[in-house]
Amino acid sequence: EVQLVQSGAEVKKPGESLKISCKGSGYSFSSYWIGWVRQMPGKGLEWMGIIYPGDSDTTYSPSFQGQVTISADKSISTAYLQWSSLMASDTAMYYCARLTSRRWSAFDIWGQGTMVTVTS
Amino acid sequence: EIVLTQSPGTLSLSPGERATLSCRASQSVSSGYLAWYQQKPGQPPRLLVYGPSSRATGIPDTFSGSGSGTDFTLTISRLEPEDFAVYYCQQYGSSPSFGQGTRLEIK
Repeated sequence: EVQLVQSGAEVKKPGESLKISCKGSGYSFSSYWIGWVRQMPGKGLEWMGIIYPGDSDTTYSPSFQGQVTISADKSISTAYLQWSSLMASDTAMYYCARLTSRRWSAFDIWGQGTMVTVTS
Repeated sequence: EIVLTQSPGTLSLSPGERATLSCRASQSVSSGYLAWYQQKPGQPPRLLVYGPSSRATGIPDTFSGSGSGTDFTLTISRLEPEDFAVYYCQQYGSSPSFGQGTRLEIK
């Protein structure tokens, strides 16, 4: 079964760093782009960026460029989303998702989501 | 950046009825790179249709996508109780973006 399993919920303080993960299984992880999508409480979906685990080629949305870092370790079939200094406005559900084929394609497989809460 | 505007914001219908959801882009979506997702409370989104009329794996034929250029439509031909959810369109050209969503609720 093709699936993406994300790390568990996090509660952090403003200014702290954080790295959440997304582990793929059931397919060739290195050969498919993986993306991250933010959903703030009660709001819609926001495309953050994507990475190709095979060579770590990365593209960010202009809205998230410089705010987060997307990385991947193909040896353990895992992608990451990280922050160096969290803000309260980073409180959201974060989903990883696999792209169907090319760099510019739809998301066909989704992780279960990681809830990140930033509160003092 | 392409802005996607979905309408209506909320659609109230009964099981068995036909639903028509609209997604309008601020500029032409290249190569029909438009997808639709369904999201239920507490769940991740699920891909329904892409490209813009190809159904994803396991999606029943009651769901269909159409359109080109700047105007796209998701049609659910006959609503089942499990179809009531929030629906998002997404353009996946060079700077992907999502619409704000349409809530499909039971009348």
